[in-house]
Amino acid sequence: GAVVSQHPSRVICKSGTSVKIECRSLDFQATTMFWYRQFPKQSLMLMATSNEGSKATYEQGVEKDKFLINHASLTLSTLTVTSAHPEDSSFYICSAKRAGGHEKLFFGSGTQLSVL
Amino acid sequence: GESVGLHLPTLSVQEGDNSIINCAYSNSASDYFIWYKQESGKGPQFIIDIRSNMDKRQGQRVTVLLNKTVKHLSLQIAATQPGDSAVYFCAETAGGTSYGKLTFGQGTILTVHP
Repeated sequence: GAVVSQHPSRVICKSGTSVKIECRSLDFQATTMFWYRQFPKQSLMLMATSNEGSKATYEQGVEKDKFLINHASLTLSTLTVTSAHPEDSSFYICSAKRAGGHEKLFFGSGTQLSVL
Repeated sequence: GESVGLHLPTLSVQEGDNSIINCAYSNSASDYFIWYKQESGKGPQFIIDIRSNMDKRQGQRVTVLLNKTVKHLSLQIAATQPGDSAVYFCAETAGGTSYGKLTFGQGTILTVHP
């Protein structure tokens, strides 16, 4: 089956630093990837839609200058949490939409971000 | 905004019993629904999906029922096993350019006792 790799799986950083999370589709091309955030004991909330070669579309209430998304190729999208603060600590999950034929969605394994 | 919600946040069952997890959705434009299983510290794992032109779909030990009239979705797990213990989320998405933008329900914690 299709695989989406997310890296790193866990990261601890100091307040004020920036953290980059990568989402790769390993065996298919993904024209669209999605980024979700999940706080403890809560559901997943869509943050933004990442389209290859164009600007990301952010959901209401998500700061685009805070959460930078780059989708430079058909297999890679990155989410950079800039000037991270403790309230940004969360589980970040990406999903990728496989293009062509019967579209399917595939999730990465998530990144646990802890900001000290 | 539109949302998908669950009636029961926790469900405890005995091994071998059947489990039923419910979900209500509010977006009438949604035409594709998915159930996910999430274990601690991991991403969602696809269980089963159903399109709005169907009212029932069966997989291995799992069945999804869709009632569009009352905007209700359920997941039935037959002969529940300890390995089924996890958080279960329903999710919805519309077609067209919105396909893939999932709205998740709040989640149900399923605990299976041996």
